[in-house]
Amino acid sequence: AQKITQTQPGMFVQEKEAVTLDCTYDTSDPSYGLFWYKQPSSGEMIFLIYQGSYDQQNATEGRYSLNFQKARKSANLVISASQLGDSAMYFCAMREGGSNYKLTFGKGTLLTVNP
Amino acid sequence: GAGVSQTPSNKVTEKGKYVELRCDPISGHTALYWYRQSLGQGPEFLIYFQGTGAADDSGLPNDRFFAVRPEGSVSTLKIQRTERGDSAVYLCASSLSLAGGPGDTQYFGPGTRLTVL
Repeated sequence: AQKITQTQPGMFVQEKEAVTLDCTYDTSDPSYGLFWYKQPSSGEMIFLIYQGSYDQQNATEGRYSLNFQKARKSANLVISASQLGDSAMYFCAMREGGSNYKLTFGKGTLLTVNP
Repeated sequence: GAGVSQTPSNKVTEKGKYVELRCDPISGHTALYWYRQSLGQGPEFLIYFQGTGAADDSGLPNDRFFAVRPEGSVSTLKIQRTERGDSAVYLCASSLSLAGGPGDTQYFGPGTRLTVL
């Protein structure tokens, strides 16, 4: 089974509207971290937001928020007030606890923001 | 401050040749990671270092791949006898710690695009 599943290969949103990018994960480890990265066409992976498995509240960073539903094993990224510069690939990733610190990434979602 | 830097940004080589890819992490970051990203895929883990030692090299595809970090800062990924299937973007990342939590957020460099002809 895939550890990170992003079911939306592509998404479109109008400028200034909100958009939700889906991510589900699979782990039996009680301690884990979830990350979202943005990858513009230039190629660099840009860290957006982090959610720890024991965090009681959903993470927020400016226009980004993470809708963390632990029982459903989902960690959806919400981008509010979309901007043209938000057009990029978005990757969800997981770090499982213990001695394993590598990130496992999903296949990504290509977001296009329309003017 | 400076982010993670990688050189070269692009490398074109012929099948069978040897290549070295360099990564300079964020100053003060103790952990360093290498990933490989094929077209249309998310990055896949190759190896990570805590200090000078390779703490986990389970992602290296075979013994043609090797990485070093002799002084605990700059790292070099070495690929011997390159094959066309090695063509990908090689990403390096570093993190402040391995303590768990947001402190181990990995920050990525711009990558090296390797093309094997």
